[in-house]
Amino acid sequence: ELKVEQNPLFLSMQEGKNYTIYCNYSTTSDRLYWYRQDPGKSLESLFVLLSNGAVKQEGRLMASLDTKARLSTLHITAAVHDLSATYFCAVDNWTSGSRLTFGEGTQLTVNP
Amino acid sequence: DTGVSQDPRHKITKRGQNVTFRCDPISEHNRLYWYRQTLGQGPEFLTYFQNEAQLEKSRLLSDRFSAERPKGSFSTLEIQRTEQGDSAMYLCASSDRLPGGLYGYTFGSGTRLTVV
Repeated sequence: ELKVEQNPLFLSMQEGKNYTIYCNYSTTSDRLYWYRQDPGKSLESLFVLLSNGAVKQEGRLMASLDTKARLSTLHITAAVHDLSATYFCAVDNWTSGSRLTFGEGTQLTVNP
Repeated sequence: DTGVSQDPRHKITKRGQNVTFRCDPISEHNRLYWYRQTLGQGPEFLTYFQNEAQLEKSRLLSDRFSAERPKGSFSTLEIQRTEQGDSAMYLCASSDRLPGGLYGYTFGSGTRLTVV
């Protein structure tokens, strides 16, 4: 069974600081996704990572994928309050029926 | 196309009642998924359809739950004899294969169910 683990689960940081969220998964995956969720809202797609060594950046967020270590990271640079949300990683692969398996989420709070 | 639509946005029901939710996917997407999300957790897979065929159901989907996608377009999720443990956000997503084999998933806004 495919399992996805994120850490930390809760992250409180100050504006301007950098931090990394980690996502480990248990079996070979075809694709790694990062989503953002604001309270009471649905999921907003941030990144899709396909291959080993893939790196994608959007604004203050950068995601990377190491398929050999089964690890993805979401790096936050110079955090701002607007980044406060819950971040989920998810993976899918053909053996899981090509549907997403999510991690528990990282609740990020950026304090002024 | 305005994305994946779900209706209703919120539903409060008494324990033991039946409820039905609707999802309208992006029109050209042939796959449709249902997920359940409880407070503080990641979404959990319930079931998915390829066109009108229901291809997989999670162990989470007890016999009180049933999902349909009769014409391969919109889908409904029905919960019979609701229990308090059914209180959650029910998310629908649709996907299609993109160039390069990538599947893009688009989520709806969800239906928040509260069973009292």
